Amino acid sequence: LAKTTQPISMDSYEGQEVNITCSHNNIATNDYITWYQQFPSQGPRFIIQGYKTKVTNEVASLFIPADRKSSTLSLPRVSLSDTAVYYCLVPERGYSGGGADGLTFGKGTHLIIQP
Amino acid sequence: KAGVTQTPRYLIKTRGQQVTLSCSPISGHRSVSWYQQTPGQGLQFLFEYFSETQRNKGNFPGRFSGRQFSNSRSEMNVSTLELGDSALYLCASSLTGVDNEQFFGPGTRLTVL
Repeated sequence: LAKTTQPISMDSYEGQEVNITCSHNNIATNDYITWYQQFPSQGPRFIIQGYKTKVTNEVASLFIPADRKSSTLSLPRVSLSDTAVYYCLVPERGYSGGGADGLTFGKGTHLIIQP
Repeated sequence: KAGVTQTPRYLIKTRGQQVTLSCSPISGHRSVSWYQQTPGQGLQFLFEYFSETQRNKGNFPGRFSGRQFSNSRSEMNVSTLELGDSALYLCASSLTGVDNEQFFGPGTRLTVL
């Protein structure tokens, strides 16, 4: 089963670039890496998804090295509103075989942005 | 385009009772997944339904069950409630499954007394 490890918490300041790294040593060949953001009392929200190298959208970049055993979510010029929990996900496999069996969100990284 | 809706938003039950939660996915989405979120365990996958069939199941006891209707709406049932079942229950829908972008609802806050 794929499993991810990411820091429990991080602090930064407004205007800084924040990088959150996640390790996923057992990622399967065909698996994508997905990041979600969650604010208190809300459901998670999709941020970005990637397979290799670099993916960029309007809110973040995702860097994935060649061995794909880790990935880094990069948030440029953060603001106070970026304070949230960030989850790194790879599909779980093994319960029933075949396709993705589920997703383990775990506890994520609690990012706190200060003025 | 309407988002994922969940009803009810809040629920209070007592031990031993059963509860049914409802989720309406985004129109056109055939995959509906359920998650349990607690402070101690984080966000845990319960199960996924796709085209009325349970496709995947997480590591939860049989007291947790679900179903999906032909219009993709889904219900989750928890029988013989325990205090530890108090949690935020989140439903998510996607076009094809859990490894693609999922859209989450606001959740149902269940309190078991």
